[in-house]
Amino acid sequence: AQSVTQLGSHVSVSEGALVLLRCNYSSSVPPYLFWYVQYPNQGLQLLLKYTSAATLVKGINGFEAEFKKSETSFHLTKPSAHMSDAAEYFCAVSRGSQGNLIFGKGTKLSVKP
Amino acid sequence: DVKVTQSSRYLVKRTGEKVFLECVQDMDHENMFWYRQDPGLGLRLIYFSYDVKMKEKGDIPEGYSVSREKKERFSLILESASTNQTSMYLCASSTTWTGGLETQYFGPGTRLLVL
Repeated sequence: AQSVTQLGSHVSVSEGALVLLRCNYSSSVPPYLFWYVQYPNQGLQLLLKYTSAATLVKGINGFEAEFKKSETSFHLTKPSAHMSDAAEYFCAVSRGSQGNLIFGKGTKLSVKP
Repeated sequence: DVKVTQSSRYLVKRTGEKVFLECVQDMDHENMFWYRQDPGLGLRLIYFSYDVKMKEKGDIPEGYSVSREKKERFSLILESASTNQTSMYLCASSTTWTGGLETQYFGPGTRLLVL
């Protein structure tokens, strides 16, 4: 069965610092992995997704994630945090039927000026 | 631009009331989903539908039912609201399954408080 684990429910960084949000997955088949972002008082929107075409995936707003099979990880990074990046971030894995996703518990990112 | 709308942003109901949460998408998507979001628990799937009049239970269906009479509309029903159903409810839609790569598009959510 598939699952995802997000390490750290809260991450705080200074503006301009590196953002690293961790996600580890468990899957019995090659996984399809997603990162979604939820800005305050909004629904979720897709940041990026891993489709097996390339291990380094670039998304919107300067975010990227690297799929590492040996580490069963799909960590999200951004070289330089901006105040507008403050949000909650969710890692998800495709369950494999009818487009279902299994979501992690989320990581809330705070950005200090 | 893709759009998923939910009938209410905030809702306050009494214990025992029947509650309807409505979701409408304008993208002609086959799949629609209802999640609840609670702090520290992430998103949990309540029900989903892959076609009109079709529905499947998700991970936490107890206390909920759904209705999909038209392709664009998916309703979540709390038959008898209880305080433990106080939560944020998110609706999403996606195209039909093509292997698991489909993007889900989310509505803004309905924050339900049951007193």
